[in-house]
Amino acid sequence: KAGVTQTPRYLIKTRGQQVTLSCSPISGHRSVSWYQQTPGQGLQFLFEYFSETQRNKGNFPGRFSGRQFSNSRSEMNVSTLELGDSALYLCASSLGVSGSLETQYFGPGTRLLVL
Amino acid sequence: KNEVEQSPQNLTAQEGEFITINCSYSVGISALHWLQQHPGGGIVSLFMLSSGKKKHGRLIATINIQEKHSSLHITASHPRDSAVYICAARTDGGSQGNLIFGKGTKLSVKP
Repeated sequence: KAGVTQTPRYLIKTRGQQVTLSCSPISGHRSVSWYQQTPGQGLQFLFEYFSETQRNKGNFPGRFSGRQFSNSRSEMNVSTLELGDSALYLCASSLGVSGSLETQYFGPGTRLLVL
Repeated sequence: KNEVEQSPQNLTAQEGEFITINCSYSVGISALHWLQQHPGGGIVSLFMLSSGKKKHGRLIATINIQEKHSSLHITASHPRDSAVYICAARTDGGSQGNLIFGKGTKLSVKP
């Protein structure tokens, strides 16, 4: 079974631009969560989607948004990029039916650099 | 004070040594996760536990709910165990969203 895939793997943008990152979950998984990882803050939860609905959202500004499609693939978008948005963005998928007690499977991440 | 604290921050060991990484949390949890992150960024979920002890190969994870403390042990450590180990506390039984992460413990195992 193929793992979680994320595209692109690396991205360089300039301040003020916007970016869209993509995540394809493991086949059959309906929950996709997004995380931001920076050296200073570590891993932080961004949002979770289940069956095309946002189920939970972390403490990030409105510039961060996401969506999930009917095939469970998910995208996240960051508008008006700031230098501080430079980070590794990870998505993780799970079946989505057992809530917090499910194992999440992580993708390789997208490394975003904002200049 | 962070709600999830890990110690030590960095750990260097010789191959074959027994390793312990600690995680303390100050919030009520429904489960605690241990994750492994290798250089390059990929994260693997090692354990998810809400009580007692779990073992997988050379890895053992324990949790003491009363003391709000969990440990990850690695027996007979090997250089391939070199990675960052992260504990994450889930604060309720709901969605994946309420995960609070520790800052991680960087382990380096020397041959």
